[in-house]
Formats: sequence, C-alpha cells, structure tokens
Amino acid sequence: KQEVTQIPAALSVPEGENLVLNCSFTDSAIYNLQWFRQDPGKGLTSLLLIQSSQREQTSGRLNASLDKSSGRSTLYIAASQPGDSATYLCAVSRGGSEKLVFGKGTKLTVNP
Amino acid sequence: DTAVSQTPKYLVTQMGNDKSIKCEQNLGHDTMYWYKQDSKKFLKIMFSYNNKELIINETVPNRFSPKSPDKAHLNLHINSLELGDSAVYFCASSQGTGNGYTFGSGTRLTVV
Repeated sequence: KQEVTQIPAALSVPEGENLVLNCSFTDSAIYNLQWFRQDPGKGLTSLLLIQSSQREQTSGRLNASLDKSSGRSTLYIAASQPGDSATYLCAVSRGGSEKLVFGKGTKLTVNP
Repeated sequence: DTAVSQTPKYLVTQMGNDKSIKCEQNLGHDTMYWYKQDSKKFLKIMFSYNNKELIINETVPNRFSPKSPDKAHLNLHINSLELGDSAVYFCASSQGTGNGYTFGSGTRLTVV
C-alpha cells in the first residue's frame, strides 16, 4: 500500500529565505508525482508535475526534484514571499486512471 | 472557462437528509474522481470513473453513490447524511498516463 509522508508538517520562515519541502513515498512503482498548493478554504492548485522518467521540473521560483529509486521528492522555493504562505501537498500515482495518493501536507508560513 | 467545476460550493444540511454534489469538467479527460478532505485536511480517494465506468471504490459507505451520465460529469449522491460526513469533497479529472490531475474548488459539506 502506497504511503506518502511529508516533512516538516509546518514551517515558518522569514521573507526572502530559500526553503526545501520534503516528500517520501513507500512504493517506487509510480508514474507521476505532483506538487499542489492549497490556500485556506480553497481548492488545489497544481504547481509541478514530474513524470517518473524525469529528474526535476522548474516553474519560476519553484523547483521540484524526483529520486524514484529512493522514494523521495523535494520542492525548492527560492526567495520566499508572504504570498507563498499555504499548505503544500505532494501526491503520487501510477498514472492512467490510477488514484493520487496524498501526503498530509506541509503548512508554510512566510513572515514579512 | 473553469476546467473542473463543482456545485454547490457550500452545503449545510441536517442529519438524515439526502444530498447531491455535481461535478463537470471541460478538459476532455476520460477519468474523473471524488476525493474527501477530512477535518485534519487529509485527502483520500473515494471513487473514480473512466468513460462512465466505475474503476475505484475505496471502502466508502454505500450511502455514497456516484453517478456518471457521461465522461464529462461525475455526481455524488449521499443518503441519510451523518455528522461524520462533514468534510470538503473535491472532484478531479485526469487523462492518460503522464498527465497531471486537475481539481475542482471543492464542496464544503456541513451536517448539523
């Protein structure tokens, strides 16, 4: 059974700091890993999608890496801003019509 | 031009009532899902449909019945609502292998 763990559960940093969020999964037979952002009371916004054949993806100040063999992914946020404050969710799937299995998220607070 | 839309956004109802949540996607995706986010913010799969066929049914009480009239719509009907059904329900869709998942904005169900 796939299990996804995210560390830390919560993180508070001053504005401008670079930070790393961690995600690990127990079953390396995945096809996709997707990072989402969820603002309080809102839906899920997709940030980055990494296919198992890829090592990393970048979008603006965000960079996500995937090490499938060790069952790990990291989300790097450069020069953090207060607007980055949200819960970040990591999820994996086997692709196709398979379900996404989520971690419990990391709640990020960026202080001005 | 919303990709995955759910209605209603908020639903407050009394125990024992029957209610439905509707979901529509205009992305042309073949697979649609229902996820439940509990009070601890953990997201878990409930159902998935691929081209109107039930693919995943994850240990959900049979008071919950999904219905997919076509591949662009997946509705969730809940009978005899209980206090524990209070949660946020998210609809999502995906297409093929190697593509990401797109989520709706959620329906916050409160049973009183």
